[in-house]
Order: sequence, then C-alpha cells, then structure tokens
Amino acid sequence: DIQMTQSPSTLSASVGDRVTITCRASQTISSWLAWYQQKPGKAPKLLIYKASTLESGVPSRFSGSGSGTEFTLTISSLQPDDFATYYCQQYNSYPWTFGQGTKVEIK
Amino acid sequence: QVQLVESGGGLVKPGGSLRLSCAASGFSFSDYYMSWIRQAPGKGLEWVSCISSSGSSIYYADSVKGRFTISRDNAKNSLYLQMNSLRAEDTAVYYCARYWYFDLWGRGTLVTVSS
Repeated sequence: DIQMTQSPSTLSASVGDRVTITCRASQTISSWLAWYQQKPGKAPKLLIYKASTLESGVPSRFSGSGSGTEFTLTISSLQPDDFATYYCQQYNSYPWTFGQGTKVEIK
Repeated sequence: QVQLVESGGGLVKPGGSLRLSCAASGFSFSDYYMSWIRQAPGKGLEWVSCISSSGSSIYYADSVKGRFTISRDNAKNSLYLQMNSLRAEDTAVYYCARYWYFDLWGRGTLVTVSS
C-alpha cells in the first residue's frame, strides 16, 4: 500500500499569511494526487486534482504542485474561511489512501 | 440538483449487519466510479471501497475485505454498502463519493457499533 505522509500535522497562521502543506508518498504516484478541505461536521470538499488542477469554483489563492512522491498545497493569502483541516489523497493505485491531515489553526 | 444522499446508518451490536444506501441525483450516475469513505470520530479519512461504473470492477480496503460488499443499481441511481460482522472499529461517519478523486460527496451517515 502507498503511505501518504503530510507535514505539518498542525499549522498556526494568521490571516494574510502564505501557507504551505507538504504531502509525501511512499512510492511514486505520478500526478495522481488530490487535495481536500474539511470543516468540522462537514463533508470534505475537493480543492485540487491531478496534483495542480484547481477544481471549478475554488478560489485561485489555492494552488498545488509536485509530481512523483512530493507534493505541496499552497494558500497564497490565508482567509478566515480557510481555517480547516486539509487532506491529500493518492489515486494512483488501490487501495487509495489519504494523508493523516493538516489542521490549519488561527494564530 | 447534483447531490448524493446517504442513509441506513444507526446503532448496531458487534457482529451485526447494516446496509447503507447512497441516492444520486442530478448527474449521469452510470458514468461514474463510486466509492465509500469513512471517518471515525475525531480521526482522518479512510477509503473503504470502490465500484466501477458498470459494477464489473470492485476494490476494498484490507480492513473491510471479506466483511463489506459494495454494489450499485444504475437503474435506481443508487450505491450500496452491505456491512457484516461489524466491529467497534467500524464506528464512523460513512460518506459516498463520486469518481477517482472525490469531486462530489454526500453529507454522510453515522454508523455506531456498540453493545
């Protein structure tokens, strides 16, 4: 199975900060990676797929990059609505797997 | 309206069974792979199972293989998860979701396994 490891697990930041979350795969997954945002009590929301393609309707302050085994999600200027937990997910091979999550908290 | 609506969750004793349903609307259900994903209380996301658009290909996480069965009825725009031999560690909110990267999610249904 492919293990997905996110860092950091928790991130404290202020409104307006540039935020970067890293996701590493235990083996190459090409660009078959998605990023999700989840708020308490809600279903996750797709932000990015194929490592860098922004889902329709997602603000352009979100961006994704990387390929192979190392990927990043960047929020260029953190907004109040962005405080949430973020997950990466690989869909290169079964079983599909998620990272453990990164919680973005208010500093 | 494009949406997925799960149902069938509830409280069940260890060793018991439950069948979850997911009703799809607003899109061509028969064109899409569909998955079940779960989230234990306070924990992260875990992919459970996936079924191809025709139902001919099915995949499971090792944690549920041999106990859970995924199926679909394209005529009814519905996805199912039959869960047998339930354990306390199966307690979670169960979501159905569309495609390989999950671009559409339901609101989830809570399954609690407890005596």
